[in-house]
Amino acid sequence: AIQLTQSPSSLSASVGARVTITCRASQSISSALAWYQQKPGKAPKLLIYEASSLETGVPSRFSGSGSGTDFTLTISSLQPEDFATYYCQQFNSYPLTFGGGTKVELK
Amino acid sequence: EVHLVESGGGLVKPGGSLRLSCAASGFTFSDYNMNWVRQAPGKGLEWVSSISSTRSYIYNADSVRGRFTISRDNAKNSLYLQMNSLRTEDTAVYYCARDAYDILTGFHYYYMDVWGKGTAVTVSS
Repeated sequence: AIQLTQSPSSLSASVGARVTITCRASQSISSALAWYQQKPGKAPKLLIYEASSLETGVPSRFSGSGSGTDFTLTISSLQPEDFATYYCQQFNSYPLTFGGGTKVELK
Repeated sequence: EVHLVESGGGLVKPGGSLRLSCAASGFTFSDYNMNWVRQAPGKGLEWVSSISSTRSYIYNADSVRGRFTISRDNAKNSLYLQMNSLRTEDTAVYYCARDAYDILTGFHYYYMDVWGKGTAVTVSS
């Protein structure tokens, strides 16, 4: 199974800050990576697919990049509603796998 | 509006069984591959099982293979997860999630663009 390692596991940032989260795959997955946002007690929400494509309705402050084994989710200017946990997911092959999550907290 | 609504969760003893359901609405259910994803208390997301739109393929996580069975009824716009031989480590919120699909090209993707709110399963004596 392809393992996804997210870093950091948590971070503290202020409103307006630029935030970068990294996801590393244990083998090449081309661009078969998605990013999700999850708030406490809620279902995950798709943000980014195919490593860099923005899901319809997601604010443009979210962006994704990378291919192969190294990927990044960037929030250009953190907003109050962005405090949440973020997960990457690979869909290159089964079993589908998720990263361990990155919790973004208010500094 | 697109909706997925899970039901069937609850408290069950180790070794017991439970059947989860997911009712879909607002889209052509028979066009889409579907998934179950779970989340143990305080933990991350774990993919459980996937079924293709026509039931031609099914994939299961190693952790549930031989115990859980995914199925669907396209006439009823419903997805199911039959869970047998439940263990305490199966305690989680179980989400039903739809795989993305390009209606114009007929191409299926394997990331999840719509999620239900989840149903909680607790396995405890």
